[in-house]
Amino acid sequence: EAGVAQSPRYKIIEKRQSVAFWCNPISGHATLYWYQQILGQGPKLLIQFQNNGVVDDSQLPKDRFSAERLKGVDSTLKIQPAKLEDSAVYLCASSFLRLAGGGHEQFFGPGTRLTVL
Amino acid sequence: TQLLEQSPQFLSIQEGENLTVYCNSSSVFSSLQWYRQEPGEGPVLLVTVVTGGEVKKLKRLTFQFGDARKDSSLHITAAQPGDTGLYLCAGESLPRDMRFGAGTRLTVKP
Repeated sequence: EAGVAQSPRYKIIEKRQSVAFWCNPISGHATLYWYQQILGQGPKLLIQFQNNGVVDDSQLPKDRFSAERLKGVDSTLKIQPAKLEDSAVYLCASSFLRLAGGGHEQFFGPGTRLTVL
Repeated sequence: TQLLEQSPQFLSIQEGENLTVYCNSSSVFSSLQWYRQEPGEGPVLLVTVVTGGEVKKLKRLTFQFGDARKDSSLHITAAQPGDTGLYLCAGESLPRDMRFGAGTRLTVKP
């Protein structure tokens, strides 16, 4: 079974530029997550989709970050314009179903390492 | 502010030693997960605990969920270099989804 795919793996941009990341979840997984992991910290949830609807985007900086999941499969995360503090690894994860209170396994992609100069 | 506090932040031990890492919170969780993350990769799930007081074993790893479902521990027996990595705990507190701690970075020296 293919895992979660992300591209690009690495991206270097200058501040105020725009950047987009792509994620292809595991086939059949209804839930998709984007996380930001700053060096030395744990992953921070940015946005969660259930199929193509947004379930939680409370920690997404909406003035510069946007995400979409068209057709409930692939997803893109965009930053426009980027700031120095956006330098981080952006992880995409997917899960089969969000079972309330029962836990659910999230399968993570390898991440995109973004450096903003 | 981290919802989940993990300790220690860093741990370096010799092969064969035992260790315990902790995950603490003031919040009650409906479930708690432990993940391991290696450099350049995403986290990989090790275990999910749901019931207060629950103990789960995975080979040399023992996971315990506190009775009040606010804390958890991970104990590794006879650590091996292959255990090296970042150990993350993640708690689910409905209606929100999973929130991660900052992790414990473990290094096991041969």
